[in-house]
Amino acid sequence: QSALTQPPSASGSLGQSVTISCTGTSSDVGGYNYVSWYQQHPGKGPKLIIYEVTKRPSGVPDRFSGSKSGYTASLTVSGLQAEDEGDYYCSSFGGSNNLPSWMFGGGTKLTVL
Amino acid sequence: QVQLVQSGAEVKKPGSSVRVSCKASGGTFNNYAISWVRQAPGQGLEWMGGIIPIFEKTHYAQKFQGRVTITADKSTGTGYLELSSLRSEDTAIYYCARMPWSSSPVVPYYYYHTLDVWGQGTTVTVSS
Repeated sequence: QSALTQPPSASGSLGQSVTISCTGTSSDVGGYNYVSWYQQHPGKGPKLIIYEVTKRPSGVPDRFSGSKSGYTASLTVSGLQAEDEGDYYCSSFGGSNNLPSWMFGGGTKLTVL
Repeated sequence: QVQLVQSGAEVKKPGSSVRVSCKASGGTFNNYAISWVRQAPGQGLEWMGGIIPIFEKTHYAQKFQGRVTITADKSTGTGYLELSSLRSEDTAIYYCARMPWSSSPVVPYYYYHTLDVWGQGTTVTVSS
């Protein structure tokens, strides 16, 4: 069982928007603004698309946006394109037992219809 | 632009150990932490631990405590993951990743910010 909870699947039609949620606790998502999102295509390594809740690395389209409310972070993909299909993982800094750690969600498979 | 280049695939027997390396190319990681993440076949990402090389400070996920050792050679810009007592469930792709970090101004505590640059992955197969 993953530390952060994501829906196993999500889908949307070309051009539409889809939002993926990521729920944690006060010790991780709710306690720090160090939430990241990664995109992974089959057979490839993860790629950072959102960091520190809302920031996009250089080269990531502004169709990708992040937000957080309480213990839940969200990734929104607007104007869905075929190449957005893949697996998406949320992650967060966490401090359990006063020790720094990093954790991932179980991943969400995004299908573009 | 820094790249992280990992060592090649490994095939190991149950009960043995494996060591995977991760070298920074085109830059250094001395001002960053290096984390190790693994992904079993068809499964999600799992953080194993990290190291802040300039302080030689390591943090391990509880699941791997006692079985994993993460080190770094600042002079060569290379990080290492060693996993012992291997079992079939350790068959996975192992990734290193660079982590920006910061520290508390009040108490000795570290914050990891993200994993921004990833290595290409090293496949470790554990089989008798």
